Amino acid sequence: QVQLQESGPGLVKPSETLSLTCTVSGGSISSYYWGWIRQPPGKGLECIGYIYLSARTIYNPSLKSRVIISVDTSKNQFSLNMRSVTAADTAVYYCARLGTNYFLDDWGQGTLVTVSS
Amino acid sequence: EILMTQSPATLSLSPGERATLSCRASQSIITNLAWYQQKPGQAPRLLIYDASTRATGIPARFSGGGSGTEFAFTISSLQSEDFAVYYCQQYKTGITFGQGTRLEIK
Repeated sequence: QVQLQESGPGLVKPSETLSLTCTVSGGSISSYYWGWIRQPPGKGLECIGYIYLSARTIYNPSLKSRVIISVDTSKNQFSLNMRSVTAADTAVYYCARLGTNYFLDDWGQGTLVTVSS
Repeated sequence: EILMTQSPATLSLSPGERATLSCRASQSIITNLAWYQQKPGQAPRLLIYDASTRATGIPARFSGGGSGTEFAFTISSLQSEDFAVYYCQQYKTGITFGQGTRLEIK
């Protein structure tokens, strides 16, 4: 079982870019897909997107224009960049590993990102 | 986008009772469905994948079934630690989640 840990600013100003990193330990990032999921306070789960190495990236169509997910194999990390954020982007952001058929079998603990001036 | 609809929104039961949760997909997802449990302040935990396969370490009281567009998740005899929010997720096309079912103590 791998361990995942999100890191990044907990507060981002409106119109700026949200940047988070997920560090993977206990396994290589060169296998499996890796994804980002978010959960606004008191609400349900939303998949932002997922990536396999740098070869294939799938984004939620509703967020695709604002999001980039990338992988750094040398650091065993993957990252999320979301530009032009608004208060609606306030959420707990989780990173996760996707299992063989794209279910999410290991999760980070999550990090709360608040968008506010 | 495949829409996932869970019912009921809230289920109130007592320990020892049987819980059955439903999940419906807007189009066929074959058996590309997972179930997760989420407790307050925690990340979701994978319970079931491929509609009916228990994830590693998940007790046998948790089970799942269904195919196509209709799915069910059952807890055969509720334990105190089972009261939580449960989500279904399809992975036939992209990834989308249901809105969740809150399982609360009656």
